[in-house]
Amino acid sequence: GIQVEQSPPDLILQEGANSTLRCNFSDSVNNLQWFHQNPWGQLINLFYIPSGTKQNGRLSATTVATERYSLLYISSSQTTDSGVYFCAVRGSGYALNFGKGTSLLVTP
Amino acid sequence: DAGVIQSPRHEVTEMGQEVTLRCKPISGHDYLFWYRQTMMRGLELLIYFNNNVPIDDSGMPEDRFSAKMPNASFSTLKIQPSEPRDSAVYFCASSLTQNTEAFFGQGTRLTVV
Repeated sequence: GIQVEQSPPDLILQEGANSTLRCNFSDSVNNLQWFHQNPWGQLINLFYIPSGTKQNGRLSATTVATERYSLLYISSSQTTDSGVYFCAVRGSGYALNFGKGTSLLVTP
Repeated sequence: DAGVIQSPRHEVTEMGQEVTLRCKPISGHDYLFWYRQTMMRGLELLIYFNNNVPIDDSGMPEDRFSAKMPNASFSTLKIQPSEPRDSAVYFCASSLTQNTEAFFGQGTRLTVV
């Protein structure tokens, strides 16, 4: 399957700071999604973004499919942004393949 | 739509017992996926179905694991007999097509003692 690498593995921010999370993948993809796993374990859909740029409030994402990477931007972080952020990709004939995630802690 | 619904939310069972996890996908979604999440291995695909037919079960760890989808609105994942190393969070997800957005249920936290 497609290899997915996320960086950084861990991140600690003070409330109000901005951050960029990166996802590299090893092959062309038909689907790329970003998820937030909250402290209760729920996987929450953030973006479906196989290519291009999308924004949703303080969050935005960009996928450059030709260069096989995606970025998730979090601006003006809040404590409720804490949790693990997963990138997941799907190539031809496969199901979603997840990276190991970026664990984010936002402190007051 | 209520989203993907899984039951139970938590399950504690003794080693050797049979465990059945249940999933109701989003209505109209043709693809259903079962994932397992552990600290050691992260989120890994166990099996997925298209139109109720299993397409790829290469992620099913052992013959003790089986999954069925008797109709478009219901799937089960069964472990028999269960072992402590099966303890994990099991997620079910569904998507309209293979390349559209997938949505996850709240997961079943399984503990085998």
